[in-house]
Amino acid sequence: QVQLQESGPGLVKPSETLSLTCAVSGYSISSGYYWGWIRQPPGKGLEWIGSIYHSGSTYYNPSLKSRVTISVDTSKNQFSLKLSSVTAADTAVYYCARGPTTRQAGDFDYWGQGTLVTVSS
Amino acid sequence: QSVLTQPPSASGTPGQRVTISCSGSSSNIGSNYVYWYQQLPGTAPKLLIYRNNQRPSGVPDRFSGSKSGTSASLAISGLRSEDEADYYCAAWDDSLSGFVVFGGGTKLTVL
Repeated sequence: QVQLQESGPGLVKPSETLSLTCAVSGYSISSGYYWGWIRQPPGKGLEWIGSIYHSGSTYYNPSLKSRVTISVDTSKNQFSLKLSSVTAADTAVYYCARGPTTRQAGDFDYWGQGTLVTVSS
Repeated sequence: QSVLTQPPSASGTPGQRVTISCSGSSSNIGSNYVYWYQQLPGTAPKLLIYRNNQRPSGVPDRFSGSKSGTSASLAISGLRSEDEADYYCAAWDDSLSGFVVFGGGTKLTVL
């Protein structure tokens, strides 16, 4: 059974960098699939942040691209998100997920439980 | 403002059939697959439909998806109380450098 678990600080100060890690178990990242980050502001809808392939190839939401970096560590079977220059608008539940199956798709079939990150001084 | 447009709410009584619409454009739904997610309160989204009308293993056949032109629909037949949740559509959008887009979500209430 594929499982994903997000970890990282729950509180980040404005203008600083948000950093989260997603540990994957039950499946080797090196075996394939893209791996993605999706966020959901409190009471609002879903927003795709970006995805990474096990090779390290990345693609991002154009609205966040200038501030986002996603990386992968296949030796630890985990991938990470960094979002710089955060503001209160970045307060959200951040989910990591397996997917999509191919680059130009929107299917995320396994999700972490999500972690709330609040941006506040 | 989401790229894909969904009604904010929908409702039905147990046993009824309910449909949720998702409207897009030629750069997303019109030229790519549509996906549907179910998000129960306080939980992570769950993939309900992929590639317009395919159900992942374990998803009841009460859930079905369809697509026509730049719009898509999710139908739930034999509505049950446990279907009360938020539903999101998603698709790849070919504009700019390409990206995944979600609808704003529809809250389904089982009366």
